Amino acid sequence: DSGVTQTPKHLITATGQRVTLRCSPRSGDLSVYWYQQSLDQGLQFLIQYYNGEERAKGNILERFSAQQFPDLHSELNLSSLELGDSALYFCASSPTGGASGYNEQFFGPGTRLTVL
Amino acid sequence: GQNIDQPTEMTATEGAIVQINCTYQTSGFNGLFWYQQHAGEAPTFLSYNVLDGLEEKGRFSSFLSRSKGYSYLLLKELQMKDSASYLCAVYNYGQNFVFGPGTRLSVLP
Repeated sequence: DSGVTQTPKHLITATGQRVTLRCSPRSGDLSVYWYQQSLDQGLQFLIQYYNGEERAKGNILERFSAQQFPDLHSELNLSSLELGDSALYFCASSPTGGASGYNEQFFGPGTRLTVL
Repeated sequence: GQNIDQPTEMTATEGAIVQINCTYQTSGFNGLFWYQQHAGEAPTFLSYNVLDGLEEKGRFSSFLSRSKGYSYLLLKELQMKDSASYLCAVYNYGQNFVFGPGTRLSVLP
């Protein structure tokens, strides 16, 4: 158990819908990262938040957005869902923002999203 | 651009030693990480290299050559539970983590 929690564990929805995935980082960790993992694309970095502010952006679609709240939990919002958005979405946390270089990330169990 | 290459699949025998290679071409470099991921589960941290050389951690060792853009993960005394995917990831403070495609290792009895 990494200490990172994600809800829900599974989500099944229809195309065109909107969903929200939730992540609670390990106690004391200030950074939250979101990743998408699909069978054909491996693990793709989406976005990072550090202490409430956006720190880095990866391959995140405009239909997707995220935020980190004052209590440091984070939410990933996916809208106008398409079949290709079906994937495992991981959240990870780390103590710092990574400026020091060493930046071990602790991954949550993931949310499996299925878009029908 | 960012590019990380790893072999897609490898097979080894229980008790043996296996080396999983990773080559990278990235616009920046602040460290290289190796993660283990069992099917359907979250990745878990194995090792970190930022300077050239070998880092040893029990049955696992990782090597880095920054000038060659090359790293490897060495697994000794293989066990059945080591059957998993192994992900190489380059960390760049500007672009964050870039993960390789992963190497699926099968350990046979």
